[in-house]
Amino acid sequence: DAGVIQSPRHEVTEMGQEVTLRCKPISGHDYLFWYRQTMMRGLELLIYFNNNVPIDDSGMPEDRFSAKMPNASFSTLKIQPSEPRDSAVYFCASSSDRGVKYEQYFGPGTRLTVT
Amino acid sequence: QKEVEQNSGPLSVPEGAIASLNCTYSDRGSQSFFWYRQYSGKSPELIMFIYSNGDKEDGRFTAQLNKASQYVSLLIRDSQPSDSATYLCAVTPLGDYKLSFGAGTTVTVRA
Repeated sequence: DAGVIQSPRHEVTEMGQEVTLRCKPISGHDYLFWYRQTMMRGLELLIYFNNNVPIDDSGMPEDRFSAKMPNASFSTLKIQPSEPRDSAVYFCASSSDRGVKYEQYFGPGTRLTVT
Repeated sequence: QKEVEQNSGPLSVPEGAIASLNCTYSDRGSQSFFWYRQYSGKSPELIMFIYSNGDKEDGRFTAQLNKASQYVSLLIRDSQPSDSATYLCAVTPLGDYKLSFGAGTTVTVRA
């Protein structure tokens, strides 16, 4: 079974450009999480969804960030306009009520560099 | 105060020794506790979870939880060079699915 899939794996963009990160969760998982990881701040939860509905977006840094989950197999995280301080690794993770409760499976991440 | 705090690293241990990692959390209502391992340039992967006070063993790994002291630890016995990684402690609040992560402790096992 495929794990969490993220694209692109690497993104280099200029300040002010729009960036869209994509995630496909594990089939059957009903929770999806977006994280950001930097050396300074560690791993931070940005937002999470349950059954495609946003549950907690308190970690979204500002209005420049938005996330959507139009269906159970796809989510996007958009940054518009991007800034150099957004440079980080962005992880998507998914989980299910079944199996090990609360266990989150992480995707490979997208390394974003904003110049 | 950060929600989850881990002992600062890096931690260097010789091969075959025990590596001891500590984590404290501030929310007394936290109910689930996890240890994730993250190799450099890779994503975190779950290695241990514990829900009840006491010890839980899985192979060379032992997780220990003390809810009264708001403390969780991870012991790695017979450390191997392949254990060299950053270990992240994560905590779930009561009735919630989100994880709060500590900053991580980097472990280096010397051959």
